Order: sequence, then C-alpha cells, then structure tokens
Amino acid sequence: AQRVTQPEKLLSVFKGAPVELKCNYSYSGSPELFWYVQYSRQRLQLLLRHISRESIKGFTADLNKGETSFHLKKPFAQEEDSAMYYCALRSFNNAGNMLTFGGGTRLMVKP
Amino acid sequence: DTGVSQDPRHKITKRGQNVTFRCDPISEHNRLYWYRQTLGQGPEFLTYFQNEAQLEKSRLLSDRFSAERPKGSFSTLEIQRTEQGDSAMYLCASSSGGQGTNEKLFFGSGTQLSVL
Repeated sequence: AQRVTQPEKLLSVFKGAPVELKCNYSYSGSPELFWYVQYSRQRLQLLLRHISRESIKGFTADLNKGETSFHLKKPFAQEEDSAMYYCALRSFNNAGNMLTFGGGTRLMVKP
Repeated sequence: DTGVSQDPRHKITKRGQNVTFRCDPISEHNRLYWYRQTLGQGPEFLTYFQNEAQLEKSRLLSDRFSAERPKGSFSTLEIQRTEQGDSAMYLCASSSGGQGTNEKLFFGSGTQLSVL
C-alpha cells in the first residue's frame, strides 16, 4: 500500500529564512510525486511535480528514491508563501490521477 | 468563474438522512474525481470518472456512497443514511486527461458536510 507522510503539521519561519517542508513516501513501484498548495480561502492547486524538475514561485523539490523523500524547499520565504502544503503520490499504474495525499503542513511566514 | 463548481457549499443534516452533492467540472474536461477531506488530514480519493464511465472506486467507499456522471458532464455524489463519520469536506476535481504527470487536476471549493 502506498503512503505519504508529512511529519510536521506546522512550520513557522521568519520572512527571508530558508524553508524545507518534509515529505516521505512509501511505495513499492516507481512513484510520481507532486506538491499541492492551498492559500487562505482559495482552492487546492498544483504547485509542482517532480518529473518537471521545475521551480515554481521559488520552490523546488527533488525526488530522492534512496531516502524515499520529496522535500519542498525555498531559500528565502515570503509572507505570501503562508499556506497549507500537501505532498501527493500517484502510483505508476494508475489510469487516472488517483492521488494519495499526505496530511499536510501549514507554513506560516512571519514578518 | 469558469473553474470547477460545487453545490452546495455547506450542508448540515441529521444522522440517517440522505444527501446529494453536485459538481460541475470545467467545460470539456473528460475526467472527474471525488475526494474527501476530514479535519487535519489530506484529501482522500473516493472515485473517478472518464466521461460517463466510473473507472475506479476506493475500497474505503462504503455502499452507502454512490456517484454518477450521467452525460459525462456534471456529477453527483449521494450519501445514504448519513453517519457522523461522514462529516467532511467533499472535493471535486476535473482534468482534460493526459498521461501521468501531464494530467493537471483543477479542484473545486468543496462541499462541507456536517452530520449531527
């Protein structure tokens, strides 16, 4: 069975500080990993996906298969980054996008 | 707003009653998903449609839950004989398909169900 764990429910940092939101997964096959974000009073939306190796809003995430991790990082946090962040896994054989989500981490960026 | 639309936004019901939620996906999106999110947890997959065909259903979904997408456009999720444990945010998402990570999900604002 696949599982996604986000060990921190809340992460609080000061503006300009580095941020790392942790995500660990358990899956026997070849996973596809995503980060979703939900800003206050907005809908859940895709932030980035591992296969694209992209940087979105200054955030990056590297898939580490050895450590089964997909941590989200940003070198300098901004107040507008405050939101709920969810790590999600899509198993390779899924025909559709049936994601397994982690429990989420609330990021608070203080001025 | 041309995004995914869900109705109602909030529903309060008594235990044992039936409830039905509606989801209108983005126009011409052929895939539609239902997820459930309880307080302090991430969304949990319930079921998924490709056009009008229901292709997957979570094993966690009891037989009190049924979903339809009769014409491949809007979808309804019905819960019969509601229980307090059904209290959650019910999220709908749609996509235009695509392979693997090329598929991008667009989520609705959700329907918050409270069972008293």
